[in-house]
Amino acid sequence: DAGITQSPRYKITETGRQVTLMCHQTWSHSYMFWYRQDLGHGLRLIYYSAAADITDKGEVPDGYVVSRSKTENFPLTLESATRSQTSVYFCASRGLAGTTGELFFGEGSRLTVL
Amino acid sequence: LAKTTQPISMDSYEGQEVNITCSHNNIATNDYITWYQQFPSQGPRFIIQGYKTKVTNEVASLFIPADRKSSTLSLPRVSLSDTAVYYCLVGGRNTGTASKLTFGTGTRLQVTL
Repeated sequence: DAGITQSPRYKITETGRQVTLMCHQTWSHSYMFWYRQDLGHGLRLIYYSAAADITDKGEVPDGYVVSRSKTENFPLTLESATRSQTSVYFCASRGLAGTTGELFFGEGSRLTVL
Repeated sequence: LAKTTQPISMDSYEGQEVNITCSHNNIATNDYITWYQQFPSQGPRFIIQGYKTKVTNEVASLFIPADRKSSTLSLPRVSLSDTAVYYCLVGGRNTGTASKLTFGTGTRLQVTL
């Protein structure tokens, strides 16, 4: 089915481990984004990508790595997870000119770092 | 990038009209105003977008005064299912600044019987 999907939906890991959250969209949208949302807070932008092989930092990029070798995929990696990275992570995508620029969000990945 | 300010929370009874105002004093000429709705355990979803004056769709209206330094999302006759967090975003749709779309803390709307 068309859309934007995230995996895993739930993940528990330990401090210091590497974790990768996957994001896949089927619309061929150019822009993709990773946000984190902590309990009681709004969404904060981690990284975004304007196209394949083009990525840039958002508000809170420290401790995260992204890549975008293919337009449809935008994985987010926590190279050495910390407890402060316990959060819900949302991936989003948007299209190009001629649209409202609407963001389409995935269902989120809930990450717990012990 | 234009910073937005919204009330942290609002309460309403079912059937009432709810107006949520967002301040964006340094909005740029190319910026649009977009509102999103987020239910618990879900990603935000687009509600409405406008540039000036008034925009209406099947779920909401958006009022934007001439100076565009604020905007008001209007939800007619809310129901319990409208309980959610509402975010106001300001940014270009297709320019470079559109890339760094940032969400504020949003307005938590609680609808009760």
